Amino acid sequence: DTEVTQTPKHLVMGMTNKKSLKCEQHMGHRAMYWYKQKAKKPPELMFVYSYEKLSINESVPSRFSPECPNSSLLNLHLHALQPEDSALYLCASSQGEQRQYFGPGTRLTVL
Amino acid sequence: GENVEQHPSTLSVQEGDSAVIKCTYSDSASNYFPWYKQELGKRPQLIIDIRSNVGEKKDQRIAVTLNKTAKHFSLHITETQPEDSAVYFCAASKDNDMRFGAGTRLTVKP
Repeated sequence: DTEVTQTPKHLVMGMTNKKSLKCEQHMGHRAMYWYKQKAKKPPELMFVYSYEKLSINESVPSRFSPECPNSSLLNLHLHALQPEDSALYLCASSQGEQRQYFGPGTRLTVL
Repeated sequence: GENVEQHPSTLSVQEGDSAVIKCTYSDSASNYFPWYKQELGKRPQLIIDIRSNVGEKKDQRIAVTLNKTAKHFSLHITETQPEDSAVYFCAASKDNDMRFGAGTRLTVKP
């Protein structure tokens, strides 16, 4: 398996909802990432997990809560989001510190 | 932190011509420089990358050059084809921390 998968593809949620985004890879990669991408902008790094430990948190608001249950899975728990949080959320993985491979993303709309 | 600047923001070329996209970075500790292609509604796809101990790398019609002293790197696409039309992002990375340039929208006219 040479792909990063993400579910769901699309998510619409209200500001009081709690939802989770999921990411999975079976390439044996030991680093996993969450990025946020707004329309016509580059991906912005949110979190990095290395060997299942959170190594980078880019001052992301606490309404976004990452979790890495094991080396193949990465979750992003969402709670009390704002409309400006609507974006494409991309997961990526890498073997070492370099080549990152992206999943297809979850397009999130917050109403 | 790292700051990556990318130029031009848009580039239109005729099929068969070459396209060049340039990026500069601020952190001399960055040691890995990938280029991603993103088509509308799709994920970013890694097309070529270069490490800081290499000055140039080529893969068929795509090449990347790196000048560590000047802290800039460039993407060169030769013999462009309509299917090369997309947004291209450069990035600079150290220790899993990857920062992207703002992107270049490349249009290849048939």
